[in-house]
Amino acid sequence: AQSVTQLDSHVSVSEGTPVLLRCNYSSSYSPSLFWYVQHPNKGLQLLLKYTSAATLVKGINGFEAEFKKSETSFHLTKPSAHMSDAAEYFCVVSPLRNSGNTPLVFGKGTRLSVIA
Amino acid sequence: DGGITQSPKYLFRKEGQNVTLSCEQNLNHDAMYWYRQDPGQGLRLIYYSQIVNDFQKGDIAEGYSVSREKKESFPLTVTSAQKNPTAFYLCASSMDTGGANQETQYFGPGTRLLVL
Repeated sequence: AQSVTQLDSHVSVSEGTPVLLRCNYSSSYSPSLFWYVQHPNKGLQLLLKYTSAATLVKGINGFEAEFKKSETSFHLTKPSAHMSDAAEYFCVVSPLRNSGNTPLVFGKGTRLSVIA
Repeated sequence: DGGITQSPKYLFRKEGQNVTLSCEQNLNHDAMYWYRQDPGQGLRLIYYSQIVNDFQKGDIAEGYSVSREKKESFPLTVTSAQKNPTAFYLCASSMDTGGANQETQYFGPGTRLLVL
């Protein structure tokens, strides 16, 4: 069975400083992994996706994530935070093969606050 | 302009009343999904549909019903049996629900349901 754990429920950074949002996953197979962002009262927007190609994945708005199989991690980073980055971020895992009733598994989210 | 639309943005339900949330997509996607989002809970899958006239229960289907009579439409009915319906409801779609390198899900803007 697949699962995903977002290690921090809330992260606060100053504008212009680096962002690190941590995610660990559990999967019986080589998974596909995603990061989504959600601004208040909005739907989810895809930031980036890993599907067994390059382990360092670049996404939109300067975000990137590195897939580390040995650590079962897929942490999201950004070199310099902007005020507009304040939002909820979700790490998501899916199986390589169809696993039945739950196509995707979502983490519980990390709320990112950016302080001016 | 392709995308997923959800209506209404806000919906109020009286005790004992059934209400229906609309979800429409013009992306020509085969699969559609309904999620419920509560604070600190992440997203939980209610129902999903891989193809017209077919759908499967997700993790929290009790008190909800769906139909998939058309490829572009996947309405969700919150029945009176759902005792705690207050939440943010998100609809999503994708090209496929399973297989290798599962396709990305694209989300609508959401509907917030409140109980009077």
